[in-house]
Amino acid sequence: GAVVSQHPSWVICKSGTSVKIECRSLDFQATTMFWYRQFPKQSLMLMATSNEGSKATYEQGVEKDKFLINHASLTLSTLTVTSAHPEDSSFYICSAIQGARGYTFGSGTRLTVV
Amino acid sequence: AQTVTQSQPEMSVQEAETVTLSCTYDTSESDYYLFWYKQPPSRQMILVIRQEAYKQQNATENRFSVNFQKAAKSFSLKISDSQLGDAAMYFCALSIGGSQGNLIFGKGTKLSVKP
Repeated sequence: GAVVSQHPSWVICKSGTSVKIECRSLDFQATTMFWYRQFPKQSLMLMATSNEGSKATYEQGVEKDKFLINHASLTLSTLTVTSAHPEDSSFYICSAIQGARGYTFGSGTRLTVV
Repeated sequence: AQTVTQSQPEMSVQEAETVTLSCTYDTSESDYYLFWYKQPPSRQMILVIRQEAYKQQNATENRFSVNFQKAAKSFSLKISDSQLGDAAMYFCALSIGGSQGNLIFGKGTKLSVKP
């Protein structure tokens, strides 16, 4: 079946540093990937839509300069949290569309900023 | 704007019994998909079942079935013969523009299964 590999699964970083999260589609080409953020005991909120070879589309209220998304190939999309602060601590999940089969999710990244 | 509402923050069911999780949605689109996802403590999102809006027949996957009431914009999930492994957060989700648009999630229902 379709697999999206997301790394790292958890990361702790110091305030002011940047963190990169990768999502790779292992056995299919993902033209579109979505990035979600999930706070504890809450639902998934869409942050941005990433299309291969073009600029990401960000949801209202999401700072594009803080959450840099790059989708340079059909199998890789990255989310970089720049100048991270404690309020950026959250669970980040990517999801890729696999044609008519629908959505495949990565296993998520727990980010803690100290 | 599209919205998904899950009015039950928590539900509990006895092992082997049946439970129904509620979901209502709102969209003016005619082409959309509805989903139920399970999120166990590992936080991996697992597809439980999906329904195409143009199909009148309710989707079924083994012990999981839906009651899709298009006019009422209701999409409930029934879990039969509940098992301990069914304990998880369940999210109802809507995708417009076929299955290529982003997913809009409800707030989720936490299901507990009692042995």
